[in-house]
Amino acid sequence: GAVVSQHPSWVICKSGTSVKIECRSLDFQATTMFWYRQFPKQSLMLMATSNEGSKATYEQGVEKDKFLINHASLTLSTLTVTSAHPEDSSFYICSEGQAYTEAFFGQGTRLTVV
Amino acid sequence: RKEVEQDPGPFNVPEGATVAFNCTYSNSASQSFFWYRQDCRKEPKLLMSVYSSGNEDGRFTAQLNRASQYISLLIRDSKLSDSATYLCVVREGGATNKLIFGTGTLLAVQP
Repeated sequence: GAVVSQHPSWVICKSGTSVKIECRSLDFQATTMFWYRQFPKQSLMLMATSNEGSKATYEQGVEKDKFLINHASLTLSTLTVTSAHPEDSSFYICSEGQAYTEAFFGQGTRLTVV
Repeated sequence: RKEVEQDPGPFNVPEGATVAFNCTYSNSASQSFFWYRQDCRKEPKLLMSVYSSGNEDGRFTAQLNRASQYISLLIRDSKLSDSATYLCVVREGGATNKLIFGTGTLLAVQP
């Protein structure tokens, strides 16, 4: 089956810095990637849908200027958390999947902003 | 109303017990249904897809009732290794193709 590789698995950064998270589809080309965020004891919340070669679609309440998504190739989507603050500390995870099928998730990135 | 609602947890059960999770979804146009398992600090992993005819995989049985917009998961003969959070997941399909996650139910199987 498809494999999605996400890096880094964890990162600690200082407040005000930017962090880039990469999500790579290894087995087949993913025209669409989904980015989620999960706070402790909560479920995954969709942040944005990343489409290859076009602008990402953001969910309501998600700041597109703060969470920059780039999907320049069929195998790579990136999420950059700009000017990170402690409240951005969370578990970020990507997935890809076609209609009617299961989603394949990356391993997730645990971001801690200090 | 939440788009996907699950039993409040946690469920604490002894080894060997049978445990049932319930889930309801609000969008009648939803296309696909899944149960995922998520271990602490890990990504969700597919446990099983859910079909209208019902499906079984070893100790796990999933049921879907489209008319009631209800999904269930039954785990028989619980093992310690079944301890995890179980997520009910619905795919909207169509143009969005989005997955909507329930908040999950924590299962703790006790020795």
